[in-house]
Amino acid sequence: DAKTTQPNSMESNEEEPVHLPCNHSTISGTDYIHWYRQLPSQGPEYVIHGLTSNVNNRMASLAIAEDRKSSTLILHRATLRDAAVYYCILRDDGGATNKLIFGTGTLLAVQP
Amino acid sequence: GAVVSQHPSWVICKSGTSVKIECRSLDFQATTMFWYRQFPKQSLMLMATSNEGSKATYEQGVEKDKFLINHASLTLSTLTVTSAHPEDSSFYICSASSRWGLSGANVLTFGAGSRLTVL
Repeated sequence: DAKTTQPNSMESNEEEPVHLPCNHSTISGTDYIHWYRQLPSQGPEYVIHGLTSNVNNRMASLAIAEDRKSSTLILHRATLRDAAVYYCILRDDGGATNKLIFGTGTLLAVQP
Repeated sequence: GAVVSQHPSWVICKSGTSVKIECRSLDFQATTMFWYRQFPKQSLMLMATSNEGSKATYEQGVEKDKFLINHASLTLSTLTVTSAHPEDSSFYICSASSRWGLSGANVLTFGAGSRLTVL
């Protein structure tokens, strides 16, 4: 499985934008870039995913480098409820049986 | 959206007993479910892939006789920790693939997790 590299931790101030980076230099052509986050004592939740083009949804934006070797998850206005561990994961979207392998993720702290 | 329900959310048991954790997909069918384990301050570790109507596929290092998985229907998978010991105390999380949004993209929906404490 292609691996991803993320900073161990980041800090942000409330209501400011947050850019969470992820490197995936060995990504293959069929790998989608998925982002999940895990709040304390909860199961992970899906945030966003993309293949080549930048993506936006109600939770966040995903900016994907042209060579696809890196990506950035953007939270436009961080809130205290966004404090969580964010995981960047590559997944071949060929089917429902494809498993997700979690790395260590980035622990995001949001200061009031 | 898709919802995955886990039960119980927490359980305390004595060493040597067996504990069953249920994972249900509430509003969709899941031919495949995944079971993860998470120790404090660590990431999720995939234990096994649960396949409806067939045997589960276990990750390397996970004892299949210790962690029994049954996926008898399209909406239910169970994980039984047999002869539990204190080192089995952990946060167990299940997930299932579902379709997301208008694009119908294939994403994983996770349960809220089950915290097992073995005394």
